[in-house]
Amino acid sequence: QVQLVQSGGEVKKPGASVKVSCKASGYSFTSNGISWVRQAPGQGLEWMGWISAYNGDTHYAQKFQDRVTLTTDTSTSTAYMELRSLRSEDTAVYYCARDYWSGKYFYEYWGQGTLVTVSS
Amino acid sequence: DIQMTQSPSSLSASVGDRVTISCRASQAIVNYLAWYQQKPGKVPKVLIYSTSTLQSGVPSRFSGSGSGTNFTLTISSLQPEDVATYYCQKYNNAPFTFGPGTKVDIK
Repeated sequence: QVQLVQSGGEVKKPGASVKVSCKASGYSFTSNGISWVRQAPGQGLEWMGWISAYNGDTHYAQKFQDRVTLTTDTSTSTAYMELRSLRSEDTAVYYCARDYWSGKYFYEYWGQGTLVTVSS
Repeated sequence: DIQMTQSPSSLSASVGDRVTISCRASQAIVNYLAWYQQKPGKVPKVLIYSTSTLQSGVPSRFSGSGSGTNFTLTISSLQPEDVATYYCQKYNNAPFTFGPGTKVDIK
């Protein structure tokens, strides 16, 4: 069965960086892209960006363009999201989610979420 | 970028009521729209994609309609287990933006 397992929660100081991992299993990793979505406490879903696990192509939300980098490691079927220059407003649960199928950028499978807390 | 809006932001209805949630895109997105249900503390669950296609396993009381810029999620007979926040998402091209959400509870 398809599973996306994310790394554990992180506590970071303002100005630091965080890198969250998302290990995929149960399907051919390079067949589907991975998006990253975050949810601040009590707030809605915010789409951050997408990466093709096939060729590494990326799309980023304009809001995060300068601070986020998405990568994949096909040898371990793992996707990564790095967010730099953290501020308190970045405190949120970060989710990875798999494209429904190639070219269909909505999500049936999600990771369990990783809470990133930014606090001095 | 295309902006997504939803209305209402919240609603309260009785069990058995018909509930309608609207989603509007600032530009046409053809039918590339999905709806999600998120219960507190849980991961979002896709209910509908391609505007009106019901995801496998989703109860038939959920339905979607619309095209272009205006879309609707309908719950034909609200059940207690439908208490959740509902989000639309456009996916015709990046960014694959979500709407702000509609919180549904029982009156």
